[in-house]
Formats: sequence, structure tokens, C-alpha cells
Amino acid sequence: AQRVTQPEKLLSVFKGAPVELKCNYSYSGSPELFWYVQYSRQRLQLLLRHISRESIKGFTADLNKGETSFHLKKPFAQEEDSAMYYCALMVGGTSYGKLTFGQGTILTVHP
Amino acid sequence: DAMVIQNPRYQVTQFGKPVTLSCSQTLNHNVMYWYQQKSSQAPKLLFHYYDKDFNNEADTPDNFQSRRPNTSFCFLDIRSPGLGDAAMYLCATKGGAQETQYFGPGTRLLVL
Repeated sequence: AQRVTQPEKLLSVFKGAPVELKCNYSYSGSPELFWYVQYSRQRLQLLLRHISRESIKGFTADLNKGETSFHLKKPFAQEEDSAMYYCALMVGGTSYGKLTFGQGTILTVHP
Repeated sequence: DAMVIQNPRYQVTQFGKPVTLSCSQTLNHNVMYWYQQKSSQAPKLLFHYYDKDFNNEADTPDNFQSRRPNTSFCFLDIRSPGLGDAAMYLCATKGGAQETQYFGPGTRLLVL
């Protein structure tokens, strides 16, 4: 069965500092990985997906199959980045698209 | 411009009293999901519909059922809520070959 692990429940950084939210996965198939974010009092929403190799709000994430990791990085954190971040693995292909979430990391960016 | 709507946002029910949570979408997506999220835990998939095709997760309790009368609406029925069913319930949708799931704001269920 697939599994997603986010080892840090809480992460605090100061504004302007680099930030890295860790995510590791286990899955026997070819993984499709995502980062979802939930800002205070807002709904869960997609931040980025590995397949598009994009940078959203300054965040990037690289899939490392050798280390089975998909860490989320930003070189200079901003206060508005404070939120709950979930790493998620999709199985069932794009048709069914079932997500398995990690436990989440609460990121706090201090001024 | 809400795309995935959940009602009510807060629901209080009594132990053992059936309760229904509703979800509607304006995206015309063919896949709809129900997740359960307990405090400080990850969202956990309960079941999903691909069009009218219902798919139950293996570990979803029998107490939980779902209905999808049409593309826009999906309901979560809890037949006999227990104290352990208190949680946030999230509805999400996905369209065809797209990868992105769109989430509703959730319904927080409290069982007294």
C-alpha cells in the first residue's frame, strides 16, 4: 500500500530565510506527487504537482525517485506562506485519481 | 464563485442519530470524493464516484454511505454516528484526465 510521510509537524522560519518541507513516499508504481496547501480559514488547494515541474509562489519541488522524496522548497520565505502544507500521492491514474495525504506540516514564517 | 460547496459548514448530531452532509459542484466534474479528516490528522479518503460508479475504500466503515443523484450533487450519509465520527468531512471533485482535485470548505461534524 502507498504511504506518504511528512516528518515535521511544525516548521518555523524567519522571513527571508530558506524553507524546505520534507516529504517521503512509498509506492510500488510510478508516483504522481502533489503539494496541497491550506491557508488560515481557506479550503485545501493545489500548490504544485511534480509532473508540471513548475514554480508556484516561489515554491518548487523535485521528485527524487532514488530517495523516494518530493521535498518542497522556497529560497526566501514570506509571512504569507504561513499555512498547513500537505504532500499527497495520487494512485489510480488520472481517471480515478485517489489521493493519499501525508500528515501535514504547519509552516510559520515569523516577521 | 464557489465551485465546490458544502452544506452545512457545521453540523451537530446526537449519538446514533442519522445525519446527511451534502456537497454540490458547479464544475461539471465527473469524479467526486469524500474525505474524513480528524483533528491533527491527514484527510483520509472514504469513497468516490466516477460518474455513477461508486468506489468504496476497503477500510471505510459500513456506517458511512453515499449517494450521487446527479453530476452536481453528492451526499454523505452516516447511519448511526458514533463519537469517533466527529471530524471534518471534505468533498472534492476532479474532471476527467485532469490531475487537480478541487476541495470544498468542509463540514465539521460534532457528535454529542
